[in-house]
Amino acid sequence: GIQVEQSPPDLILQEGANSTLRCNFSDSVNNLQWFHQNPWGQLINLFYIPSGTKQNGRLSATTVATERYSLLYISSSQTTDSGVYFCAALDNYGQNFVFGPGTRLSVLP
Amino acid sequence: DAGVTQSPTHLIKTRGQQVTLRCSPKSGHDTVSWYQQALGQGPQFIFQYYEEEERQRGNFPDRFSGHQFPNYSSELNVNALLLGDSALYLCASSPESRVMSYEQYFGPGTRLTVT
Repeated sequence: GIQVEQSPPDLILQEGANSTLRCNFSDSVNNLQWFHQNPWGQLINLFYIPSGTKQNGRLSATTVATERYSLLYISSSQTTDSGVYFCAALDNYGQNFVFGPGTRLSVLP
Repeated sequence: DAGVTQSPTHLIKTRGQQVTLRCSPKSGHDTVSWYQQALGQGPQFIFQYYEEEERQRGNFPDRFSGHQFPNYSSELNVNALLLGDSALYLCASSPESRVMSYEQYFGPGTRLTVT
């Protein structure tokens, strides 16, 4: 099945800084999503982005399907951005929606 | 528009017991998937239900079983609980059944502790 990797595993930022999180996947994808998991465990949908570029406020994402990676950009980070960011992908066989190990982001005031 | 709901929020069980977790999908969605998230790890796919049938299954033993009702809500049952079953159990819904290529929306989860 598809393998999903994320980097970096941990990231510490000062409030106001920008960051880029990366997601690599091992096969062509039918579905790729980015999530933010808050401290209570809720997975919040950030982007549904199997290809192309999307923006939502301070966040944007780009997926280059042919090169099998996706990037999540966070600009002007705030303390409320802290938490774990996951990407998850479904391969073209549609068998399994696989999550990466996550990037734990800490934004310091 | 109600999102995905799950119950209970927290649950404590003893090794060997059985547990049932419940999920109601987002309005307009007919497909429900279940995931297990161990501490410090990403969620792992357990199985997916559509039209009251299990359509896809991840690498989980038969102790994990489920059900979907005509109103699209779903239950996850785990028998003969092990300490390693302690985890956050997440339910997700989506509007398409044949493949999981549509965006999935997650509920708040049920935190299960097995002692």
